Amino acid sequence: AQKITQTQPGMFVQEKEAVTLDCTYDTSDPSYGLFWYKQPSSGEMIFLIYQGSYDQQNATEGRYSLNFQKARKSANLVISASQLGDSAMYFCAMREGPDSGGSNYKLTFGKGTLLTVNP
Amino acid sequence: GAGVSQSPRYKVAKRGQDVALRCDPISGHVSLFWYQQALGQGPEFLTYFQNEAQLDKSGLPSDRFFAERPEGSVSTLKIQRTQQEDSAVYLCASSLLGARYEQYFGPGTRLTVT
Repeated sequence: AQKITQTQPGMFVQEKEAVTLDCTYDTSDPSYGLFWYKQPSSGEMIFLIYQGSYDQQNATEGRYSLNFQKARKSANLVISASQLGDSAMYFCAMREGPDSGGSNYKLTFGKGTLLTVNP
Repeated sequence: GAGVSQSPRYKVAKRGQDVALRCDPISGHVSLFWYQQALGQGPEFLTYFQNEAQLDKSGLPSDRFFAERPEGSVSTLKIQRTQQEDSAVYLCASSLLGARYEQYFGPGTRLTVT
């Protein structure tokens, strides 16, 4: 079974509008973390936002927010006020294991969603 | 400040050749990861170092793949007897030690095996 599922291969949004990119995950570990990364056409992965499984509040970073629904095992990324520069691939990733005291912090990535922002 | 750097950025190898890919992590980053990204896919974990210790190599696809980080900084991913299925982008990432810290990725090395 896929550990990270991103069901939207591609999304379109008008400049200045908000967009939600979906991510569901599968783990039996009670401790885990969820990351979103952006990959522009240049290829470099850029960290956007992090949510720990025990974090009480949904994470926010500027125009990015994470809609974390633990019971549904979903961690959707919301981008507000889209800009042309937001056009890129977006990857959801999961780290299984505790925030501290672990020995391996490898990430498991989804297949990504290609976001296109139209002027 | 300087980010993660990788060299070469592009590598073309004939099938059967050995290749070596280099990663210079951010100074002070204890954790170093290698990922393989096939075209149109998300990155897949290959191996993880904490300082010079290779704590997890479960993602290496075969014994033709070998990674090292002898002094706890620069790392090299070596692929022996390359095959066409090895064609991919190889990404290196580094981070501070701790699960909440984000991984900083390098630009990747695009390997094409002909």
